[in-house]
Amino acid sequence: GQSLEQPSEVTAVEGAIVQINCTYQTSGFYGLSWYQQHDGGAPTFLSYNGLDGLEETGRFSSFLSRSDSYGYLLLQELQMKDSASYFCALRDTGFQKLVFGTGTRLLVSP
Amino acid sequence: DGGITQSPKYLFRKEGQNVTLSCEQNLNHDAMYWYRQDPGQGLRLIYYSQIVNDFQKGDIAEGYSVSREKKESFPLTVTSAQKNPTAFYLCASSGGAGFSNQPQHFGDGTRLSIL
Repeated sequence: GQSLEQPSEVTAVEGAIVQINCTYQTSGFYGLSWYQQHDGGAPTFLSYNGLDGLEETGRFSSFLSRSDSYGYLLLQELQMKDSASYFCALRDTGFQKLVFGTGTRLLVSP
Repeated sequence: DGGITQSPKYLFRKEGQNVTLSCEQNLNHDAMYWYRQDPGQGLRLIYYSQIVNDFQKGDIAEGYSVSREKKESFPLTVTSAQKNPTAFYLCASSGGAGFSNQPQHFGDGTRLSIL
């Protein structure tokens, strides 16, 4: 099977940079995705890494290293509205099925 | 605007009762999914469907059933066999198989509780 591990909680202050790590075990996958979910809300797509390396989308960047079974989401210039849960997810090779990690709760303080 | 609509937002189930959660999308997506989320946990896949009239069990299908009679609709029934149904249920859709980088789009969810 597939499994993904993330830290349960990360705290940071406004304006700072924070990195959320994701380590995984899998026999094969297409890529690593990241989703954001505010309390009580729907997850929204942030980023996708199909290849090794860094993908940048505005204040958010995501990185994947298949040789290390590791990825991370980097959030820069943190804002209060970034307080949310962040999930990494593997895209299964058989279909577009996603396997989600347990999520990291990010708390941004003033 | 295109999107996914889930209803109802809140649902209460009596013991021994089956309840059905609605999920409709107007994104013209082929694939649809149902997830269960427990407090402080990640999303676990219940069922998914690649095309109309076809669906597969996910990781926690026991006690649930689905149908996919129309492209736009993927209702989930929580049966009386599901002994711990209290959770947040999320429906999602994505572009067809073969597009491996297509993100999943989620509805706003249904909170199901036992009376």
